[in-house]
Amino acid sequence: SQTIHQWPATLVQPVGSPLSLECTVEGTSNPNLYWYRQAAGRGLQLLFYSVGIGQISSEVPQNLSASRPQDRQFILSSKKLLLSDSGFYLCAWNPDRASSYEQYFGPGTRLTVT
Amino acid sequence: GDSVTQMEGPVTLSEEAFLTINCTYTATGYPSLFWYVQYPGEGLQLLLKATKADDKGSNKGFEATYRKETTSFHLEKGSVQVSDSAVYFCALSGGTGNQFYFGTGTSLTVIP
Repeated sequence: SQTIHQWPATLVQPVGSPLSLECTVEGTSNPNLYWYRQAAGRGLQLLFYSVGIGQISSEVPQNLSASRPQDRQFILSSKKLLLSDSGFYLCAWNPDRASSYEQYFGPGTRLTVT
Repeated sequence: GDSVTQMEGPVTLSEEAFLTINCTYTATGYPSLFWYVQYPGEGLQLLLKATKADDKGSNKGFEATYRKETTSFHLEKGSVQVSDSAVYFCALSGGTGNQFYFGTGTSLTVIP
C-alpha cells in the first residue's frame, strides 16, 4: 500500500532563517506531488505541484521554492523565512493516471516563524 | 475557472443531530467531487467521492450526491457523534488535469 511521510512534524524557526521540509511517498511510482499551506483557521492554499522529476509548477509567487530531486521526493524550501510563512504545510500525492484523481495527504508540518 | 463554494461555519450540533454541510461548485467539463475531513492537528483524509452525475458517495455514515442540475455536493449524516468533530472540506478535481480546488472548510463541533 502507499504511504506518504512528512518531516519534521513541527518546526520553530526565527525570521530570516532557511527552511527545508521534506515529503516522500512509498509504494507508487511517478506520482503527482503537491505542497499546500494552511494558515490558522483558513482553507488550503496550493503552493506548488509537480508531475515529474525536476518539473515544478508554482501557483503563488512568494519566497518559497520547491524541488523534486527524485521520483517520490518533494522538498519545500526557503532561503529566508518571513513571519507570514507560519502555518501548517501539507504534502499530497495522486496517481498519475486519468482514472483516479483523489489526492492523499501527509500528516503535515506545523511551522512557526518567530 | 473552476471553484468550490462551501457553507461557512462554525457549525455546532448536539450528538445524534442531523448534519448538512452545503457545497456548490463551478466547473467546465465533468469534474470529480470529494469530501475530505481534517481532525485537529492532522492532515486531510478522504471521506468520500463521486465521479459522475447522480453518483452517491458514502462512508462512515456520511453521504453526498453529485447533483449536476444544481451543481451541488452537499454532505449529510443522519446522526452525528462527538467523534465527528472536525473540519470538512469540499473539493473538486477538474477534468483538464490533476488540479484540485478546495472549499474554505467548515468546522463542525458535536457536543454531548
